Amino acid sequence: ETGVTQSPTHLIKTRGQQVTLRCSSQSGHNTVSWYQQALGQGPQFIFQYYREEENGRGNFPPRFSGLQFPNYSSELNVNALELDDSALYLCASSLPSGTNEQFFGPGTRLTVL
Amino acid sequence: AQSVTQPDIHITVSEGASLELRCNYSYGATPYLFWYVQSPGQGLQLLLKYFSGDTLVQGIKGFEAEFKRSQSSFNLRKPSVHWSDAAEYFCAVGAFNRGSTLGRLYFGRGTQLTVWP
Repeated sequence: ETGVTQSPTHLIKTRGQQVTLRCSSQSGHNTVSWYQQALGQGPQFIFQYYREEENGRGNFPPRFSGLQFPNYSSELNVNALELDDSALYLCASSLPSGTNEQFFGPGTRLTVL
Repeated sequence: AQSVTQPDIHITVSEGASLELRCNYSYGATPYLFWYVQSPGQGLQLLLKYFSGDTLVQGIKGFEAEFKRSQSSFNLRKPSVHWSDAAEYFCAVGAFNRGSTLGRLYFGRGTQLTVWP
């Protein structure tokens, strides 16, 4: 069984640029959630996708957007990057059942200069 | 509002000593509670979870946690710590969204565990 994978591992961008992060969910999981983990902090929920639709959103501005594809993989897009967007971005997949936990990928480390 | 508090930012213990990491939560309904561990440069690995039933739950790597509703706590324990347990530990509470899927997780800020040989 393949776990959650994310790409790229590391990324360096400059302010104002746009970035796309990718996530492949665990086999059979059709729900994907994205989290931002700033240095020294716990992960913060960005949004969740279920059956290709946004299914909940945290307190992040609209320049954070996402997609989910028919194969349940997902993308996180961030426009107009700011220095504070520097963080570890974690993707988690799960089944749409109230008793199933979220399985996390290794994350993408984004640095904004 | 939902929130999780981990009052200890950093804990140091000797190898073989017992460990307790504290977690307090605020949640309006029956909480779904989790403990995750994160090693440097890694994602989050689930140690254990509580949904209902027995308030003492067993997890992987010899960890256990006890849910105490009266204290809004879900503390993580291990009777004898190994050097490989050095990592960051996160407590989280799960909140359901409209679709009754397991929606967002609210995380604490984490407790960094250092283990002395």
